[in-house]
Amino acid sequence: DVKVTQSSRYLVKRTGEKVFLECVQDMDHENMFWYRQDPGLGLRLIYFSYDVKMKEKGDIPEGYSVSREKKERFSLILESASTNQTSMYLCATPGKGEGELFFGEGSRLTVL
Amino acid sequence: AQSVTQLGSHVSVSEGALVLLRCNYSSSVPPYLFWYVQYPNQGLQLLLKYTSAATLVKGINGFEAEFKKSETSFHLTKPSAHMRDAAEYFCAVSAYSGGGADGLTFGKGTHLIIQP
Repeated sequence: DVKVTQSSRYLVKRTGEKVFLECVQDMDHENMFWYRQDPGLGLRLIYFSYDVKMKEKGDIPEGYSVSREKKERFSLILESASTNQTSMYLCATPGKGEGELFFGEGSRLTVL
Repeated sequence: AQSVTQLGSHVSVSEGALVLLRCNYSSSVPPYLFWYVQYPNQGLQLLLKYTSAATLVKGINGFEAEFKKSETSFHLTKPSAHMRDAAEYFCAVSAYSGGGADGLTFGKGTHLIIQP
């Protein structure tokens, strides 16, 4: 089975702090994704990466950056957290099937 | 570009009743379609997928969905609801296999409530 591990399940940060959310996958897949989930808005794509050191903006990249130094690890960075970034963040990677993504358990971030 | 519309942000059914969650999609190319389930404080779990093979797709936990190209729909059904089915359900579309170069596009989700 595909395993996607998000290092922090729950975080509480203060406005202006720098936040790192880390994700590790064991599928040896080139593609990795970060989504944000909010009630009534579904999942929205923040950034994705299709190879080490490669990244592409998704639909809502403002206020976020990413890092992909190793194939298995994809980090989401909030340079200066704001209250409107309070949300659930989900990391995902494709399996060897046909199109589906496999998700981590999510990181619930609260910014005070 | 692809898009997904899920009709009804909340659906309530009685235990043992039919579950029907609606999903309509828009895609400029033949789509790959997915249903995911999310239990509280967990990630998303794949229920089933359509990838241009059989139009009636069976998934886990007794769910199935039918791809109807003429209606651009991919509705999710289960003949008899169980209390454990209470969760958030997401429909998603991709134009590419392998998760694509740009991931999946998700609907806004439907919260399924099961009444005892």
